[in-house]
Order: sequence, then structure tokens, then C-alpha cells
Amino acid sequence: NAGVTQTPKFQVLKTGQSMTLQCAQDMNHEYMSWYRQDPGMGLRLIHYSVGAGITDQGEVPNGYNVSRSTTEDFPLRLLSAAPSQTSVYFCASRRAGGSVSTEAFFGQGTRLTVV
Amino acid sequence: AQSVTQLGSHVSVSEGALVLLRCNYSSSVPPYLFWYVQYPNQGLQLLLKYTTGATLVKGINGFEAEFKKSETSFHLTKPSAHMSDAAEYFCAVSRRVGGSQGNLIFGKGTKLSVKP
Repeated sequence: NAGVTQTPKFQVLKTGQSMTLQCAQDMNHEYMSWYRQDPGMGLRLIHYSVGAGITDQGEVPNGYNVSRSTTEDFPLRLLSAAPSQTSVYFCASRRAGGSVSTEAFFGQGTRLTVV
Repeated sequence: AQSVTQLGSHVSVSEGALVLLRCNYSSSVPPYLFWYVQYPNQGLQLLLKYTTGATLVKGINGFEAEFKKSETSFHLTKPSAHMSDAAEYFCAVSRRVGGSQGNLIFGKGTKLSVKP
């Protein structure tokens, strides 16, 4: 059981380039989220989805787009990369049952550097 | 509003010593609280969670945490540290009000070092 899989693990972008961070889960979880982790900041929510076709913004959504066409996949798109988007990105999924108390499962992360 | 504060960005203990990582929360509704661990270059793994019921929660790898409503705390402890416990630990509360309910609000993390 792979859980949550993120690709790539590492990426270097030039300012202004665009790219897509991939996230896939095989646990049939309804809810998926993207967080970014910065030193001394903990993890902050970028975007989330409660099911296929439904997405919403978190606390730091600017510069990022998401879509959810299937239950399994939740890609994160950087439209025009900026140095401020240098970070480690984590995708998480959780099942819907149990309302807000269910455990989130995290991927291994994508370390992104924008130069 | 809900928030989490972790006291101490770095904690160092000797192998075999007590581990105590502090977490205080703020929540206008009964909180659902979590501790996650992140080993170097890894994702986050759930250690334990508190939702309702027993206030002393036991987790994996010998860790436990006690929910104290009167102190708004959810400190993580382990009686005897192992070298393998060296990692970063995050306290989090599940959003229960406003938008993005069920998503996590994280503290800033505490890096635990274990000295031989």
C-alpha cells in the first residue's frame, strides 16, 4: 500500500517558470490538502479539496492553483515561480468519516528551490 | 479562532532521560489535537491524537500526551529517550470553525536532539 505519493522529490526552477507538483493517494480518501513547510513556520495550508471537482483556498493560496478531477490525484500548479515559493511542499489525505477528527496521511514531500 | 503554540524550537536531552515537548492551544470549541513526528527528509507521521474521552493518550514509540483543559495544554512526553527519537515534532489542532474544517493548524515545531 503506497499511501500518498508525491513527485518529484526535488526540483529547481527559475523565476517565472511554471510547474506542477503531483500528488496521488491510493487509500480512497475523500479529503486532500497541500501544505508548505518553511523553517520556523510549521506547515501552512495552501489549498484543499473535499472531493472530486471541489477545491478551496487555505491560508496561503496566492501563486498556486489546484484541481481535483479524480479521487486519487490532487496536483498543485505554480503559475509563475517566485523565490518566495522556495519551500518543502507536502500533500496530505484523510477519509471523510469522523468529521474533523480523522488522521491525515502525508507524502514524503517535494523540496522546491526557485532561483 | 484556533491556534497552537509550541514552546521551545529546540530541545536537547540525554539518552535515557525524560522527553517533554510543550504544546499549548487556543480554541473557542473543544479541540481535536494531534502530535506528528518528522524524521529528516521524511513526511509527517502521526504519533497520537486526542478527540474525546480519556485525557491521557498513548501513541506509538512509547510517547504519550495529556490533554489538560484547565491549562489549555497538550504536552508530549516519553519516559526514556532513544537516539532514534531525534526528529522534529509538530503539535496541531484540527480546524473546527470557519472554512477548511478538518484541515490542520500546526505549531512551528520543536526539534529534538538526543545526546549519547
